Amino acid sequence: EPEVTQTPSHQVTQMGQEVILRCVPISNHLYFYWYRQILGQKVEFLVSFYNNEISEKSEIFDDQFSVERPDGSNFTLKIRSTKLEDSAMYFCASSGLAGAGDIQYFGAGTRLSVL
Amino acid sequence: GENVEQHPSTLSVQEGDSAVIKCTYSDSASNYFPWYKQELGKGPQLIIDIRSNVGEKKDQRIAVTLNKTAKHFSLHITETQPEDSAVYFCAASPNFGNEKLTFGTGTRLTIIP
Repeated sequence: EPEVTQTPSHQVTQMGQEVILRCVPISNHLYFYWYRQILGQKVEFLVSFYNNEISEKSEIFDDQFSVERPDGSNFTLKIRSTKLEDSAMYFCASSGLAGAGDIQYFGAGTRLSVL
Repeated sequence: GENVEQHPSTLSVQEGDSAVIKCTYSDSASNYFPWYKQELGKGPQLIIDIRSNVGEKKDQRIAVTLNKTAKHFSLHITETQPEDSAVYFCAASPNFGNEKLTFGTGTRLTIIP
């Protein structure tokens, strides 16, 4: 069964450093998302991406965050200058069909620890 | 924006009994309501979803009901098994899948053998 792949599974960084979280969505999918989950809390939407541009972003997704689809298979989330409060599990998701809608499939996540 | 409330936060049931998890939402524009199961160390996995034009949907031991008037929806798991132990999240979306999901706070379900 096709799956969303995320790397690395765990990223440790120092406060103020830049990190890039990587995702390989399901190959024929058109919509891509990042969510985050602070330990013990709910999953929160960060950003959605379609047709090579951001389609929606949350209040959390401020200027320190950016997303990119650098080639036909990868989808990345960059945090420019990490803060302690960025420590969380970050999930990538993708969905397939244009228009009518489709299921969002999630990756296993990247645990980001900011020290 | 949308706000999704979920209850209970923890639920323990004897193996073989039924489990019910309830969610309410605030935005009447929401039309799509998926349920995700999250096992330890894994990402959320869709187990069932329902769209606003349907009141109930069933898939083997799992069923979901939706009351649009009251803005609430529920997950029902019958004949529970140990492998049903996990955290369950409800979610809501204004459109049928290709827009942001607003998640509930999660329910940790424990099945007691």
